[in-house]
Amino acid sequence: QVQLAESGGGLVKPGGSLRLSCAVSGFTFSDYYMSWIRQAPGKGLEWVSYISSTSTYTDYADSVKGRFTISRDNAKNSLYLQMSSLRAEDTAVYYCARGSGSSHHPFLTWGQGTLVTVSS
Amino acid sequence: EIVLTQSPGTLSLSPGERATLSCRASQSVSGSYLAWYQQKPGQAPRLLIYGASSRATGIPDRFSGSGSGTDFTLTISRLEPEDFAVYYCQQYGSSPWTFGQGTKVEIK
Repeated sequence: QVQLAESGGGLVKPGGSLRLSCAVSGFTFSDYYMSWIRQAPGKGLEWVSYISSTSTYTDYADSVKGRFTISRDNAKNSLYLQMSSLRAEDTAVYYCARGSGSSHHPFLTWGQGTLVTVSS
Repeated sequence: EIVLTQSPGTLSLSPGERATLSCRASQSVSGSYLAWYQQKPGQAPRLLIYGASSRATGIPDRFSGSGSGTDFTLTISRLEPEDFAVYYCQQYGSSPWTFGQGTKVEIK
């Protein structure tokens, strides 16, 4: 079955960097757009970024543009989020999610999330 | 940026009752690219509805979505105990993709 597993979260100081990973299985990874979505503690959902199936297209929320970079390795069935210049307001559970083959896609399947805490 | 406003904030109902959740967009959602998700405490969200009215795989037919333009509705025809959760709408027609603030459906 379709599975997504995030890793790489943890405690980081303001201004620091962190790289999140999402390992997927159960579907042809290279056929799908993928996204990162986050949820601050006790808050709602915020879309962060997406990447197209062949990495040709990416898009970011204004709140992370210039600080976060999304990437993927289709040979390794893995999605990544490189986060830098981290701020306290980046503290959240980060979910990876599978889209579809189109740029306009809902989030079909979600991982269980990884917690990122930005604090001194 | 399209702002999605969900109402009510909290809905208190009993099992077996009908739930009607609203999602209003600040501007028209192109292509009816509107989705609904369910989230239970400590769990990841789950896709219920996409394209405003299409049920995702495995979603019971008591869940239905409707609407277009700026006004969308999620209806749960008869609440089951497992349906008490938070529900979010989300538009994926215009970047940045945005979510509503959520509606909590709680047991009365």
